[in-house]
Amino acid sequence: EIVLTQSPGTLSLSAGERATLSCRASQSVRSSQLAWYQQKPGQAPRLLMYGASSRATGIPDRFSGSGSGTDFTLSISRLEPEDFAVYSCQQYGTSPWTFGQGTKVEIK
Amino acid sequence: QVQLQESGPGLVKPSETLSLTCTVSGGSISSYYWSWIRQPPGRGLEWIGYIYYTGSTDYNPSLKSRVAISVDTSKNQFSLKLRSVTAADTAVYYCAGTHNWFDPWGQGTLVTVSS
Repeated sequence: EIVLTQSPGTLSLSAGERATLSCRASQSVRSSQLAWYQQKPGQAPRLLMYGASSRATGIPDRFSGSGSGTDFTLSISRLEPEDFAVYSCQQYGTSPWTFGQGTKVEIK
Repeated sequence: QVQLQESGPGLVKPSETLSLTCTVSGGSISSYYWSWIRQPPGRGLEWIGYIYYTGSTDYNPSLKSRVAISVDTSKNQFSLKLRSVTAADTAVYYCAGTHNWFDPWGQGTLVTVSS
């Protein structure tokens, strides 16, 4: 199975700063079939991105995704208070579909 | 707008079978594939498997020998059965619409395996 490794484990930033989150795959993710999710405490994950760079419905344009092959990035251009959460990547190019362990974006 | 709601026991004894149901509202169960995903406390997400309304399934090999997912189109529901549970199966279990990525999600239900 494809193992997804996210870094850093925790990112400490202030509101208004830019966040850059990494997701690295143990083997190439076919056709950039990678999604990103946001999860807040006690809530279900929320789809942010699919196809590595397509925003889901209702997701603000301060969120962007990029990458291909084994290296993918989620960027948040200017952190808003509601963006502090855990972010997870997921590949769906090869079964079994797998998730990264998550990056926590916390308030500095 | 499609909404999902998990239901089932919150406590299961070791070696018994965990059974959960997901009810789909606001849309037809024939519209998507449907998955079960779990998250042990403080840990990452794990895809368990999916089902299509025709009954076609795919399971994570790590759980395949113990898992069965079924669908009841008349009730707009799909269900999860996980046999021979241990403490390692304690987790929040989510159901989700599946387009390869997962959206929407149910709110999740905590299942604790303990005697």
